[in-house]
Amino acid sequence: GAVVSQHPSWVICKSGTSVKIECRSLDFQATTMFWYRQFPKQSLMLMATSNEGSKATYEQGVEKDKFLINHASLTLSTLTVTSAHPEDSSFYICSALSWRGRKETQYFGPGTRLLVL
Amino acid sequence: QKEVEQDPGPLSVPEGAIVSLNCTYSNSAFQYFMWYRQYSRKGPELLMYTYSSGNKEDGRFTAQVDKSSKYISLFIRDSQPSDSATYLCAMSVAAGNKLTFGGGTRVLVKP
Repeated sequence: GAVVSQHPSWVICKSGTSVKIECRSLDFQATTMFWYRQFPKQSLMLMATSNEGSKATYEQGVEKDKFLINHASLTLSTLTVTSAHPEDSSFYICSALSWRGRKETQYFGPGTRLLVL
Repeated sequence: QKEVEQDPGPLSVPEGAIVSLNCTYSNSAFQYFMWYRQYSRKGPELLMYTYSSGNKEDGRFTAQVDKSSKYISLFIRDSQPSDSATYLCAMSVAAGNKLTFGGGTRVLVKP
């Protein structure tokens, strides 16, 4: 199956610092990756769509200057939470779009838990 | 009103029982329907992928889509304690498009 990794799996940082999260597709190339945020006992909320070689498309209400997304290669997308604050504490999950068996499917990474103190 | 509605549960069943999950949606443009399983503190895992209306079976899992009623279902036969997780329905307008998720149903299979 398609494997997607995320690094780090968890991070604790002080308020005001920036945190970078990496999302990698390990056994396939992904021109499109998605970034989601999930709060406890809630569903996944799409933050942005990341396309290789172009600017990310952000969902309404998501600050593009706060959540910087870079998709520099077909196997790597990064999300940087700039000047993180406690309200940014959440579970961040990426997915990568894979073309398998004539269907495009999103495969998810294991998630990154961010705690901002 | 949310685009995709899903009962949050928890849904508790004895081991071996059939688990029945469902979602309703309001956007008639949705064409692709998926079910994901998510264990606590993990990323979602794709279980079933269905295009348009109809049934699809894969092992112990059966997915049904009724576009006329805007209603999708997932059935898990011979449930096991390892099936205890949150099940998320998701759907999209076109292949490769962004997914709209339901809120998830927490399932607990008791041994």
